[in-house]
Amino acid sequence: DIVMTQSPDSLAVSLGERATINCKSSQSVLNSSNNKNDLAWYQQKPGQPPKLLIYWASTRESGVPDRFSGSGSGTDFSLTISSLQAEDVAVYYCQQYYTTPMCSFGQGTKLEIK
Amino acid sequence: EVQLLESGGGLVQPGGSLRLSCAASGFTFSNYAMSWVRQAPGKGLEWVSTISGSGATTSYADSVKGRFTISRDRSRKTLYLQMIFLRAEDTAVYYCAKESASTSSWYLFDFWGQGTLVTVSS
Repeated sequence: DIVMTQSPDSLAVSLGERATINCKSSQSVLNSSNNKNDLAWYQQKPGQPPKLLIYWASTRESGVPDRFSGSGSGTDFSLTISSLQAEDVAVYYCQQYYTTPMCSFGQGTKLEIK
Repeated sequence: EVQLLESGGGLVQPGGSLRLSCAASGFTFSNYAMSWVRQAPGKGLEWVSTISGSGATTSYADSVKGRFTISRDRSRKTLYLQMIFLRAEDTAVYYCAKESASTSSWYLFDFWGQGTLVTVSS
């Protein structure tokens, strides 16, 4: 099974500053059939279900602000918020959907305002 | 507008059973795989089970295999999760989630319900 490890576990960033969350998979999630990484990022605000932000490691879901960006390939990935807004306070999860018939999530990173 | 509404959660004793439902609307239900993902109190997300759009193919996490059964009713546009032999460690909010329309992966989720809480305790 692929293990997803996020770092850090929590992060405090000032409003308007950049926030970066990392995700490492225990094996490559690069899909050779389409040369895309089967890696997604979700945002979960308190009391709400997760919301899909990014898939294929760097493709923003429709409606997601462009201050959110994803990068990386193979086993190492990052989610960056270019200019932190108050509404971005949440827990962020990475997910691999490479090893069907299953998927796995990282443990989550809690993002707060400094 | 896509809507997923879970129901059926509650308090159950260890060893007991429960059936969760997820009523879907706003999309062609039979065209998409559906999944259950759970979240223990204060913890992260754990994939539980997935069923194909036709209902012919199912998959389960090892932690629930043999105890949980996923199914779907096309006419009612409803997803189900039958849970038996429940354990304390099954205590969680259970979310139903829809396959993303953007990729061909059944395990990428673009819409989630609000969740239903299952508590296993004596």
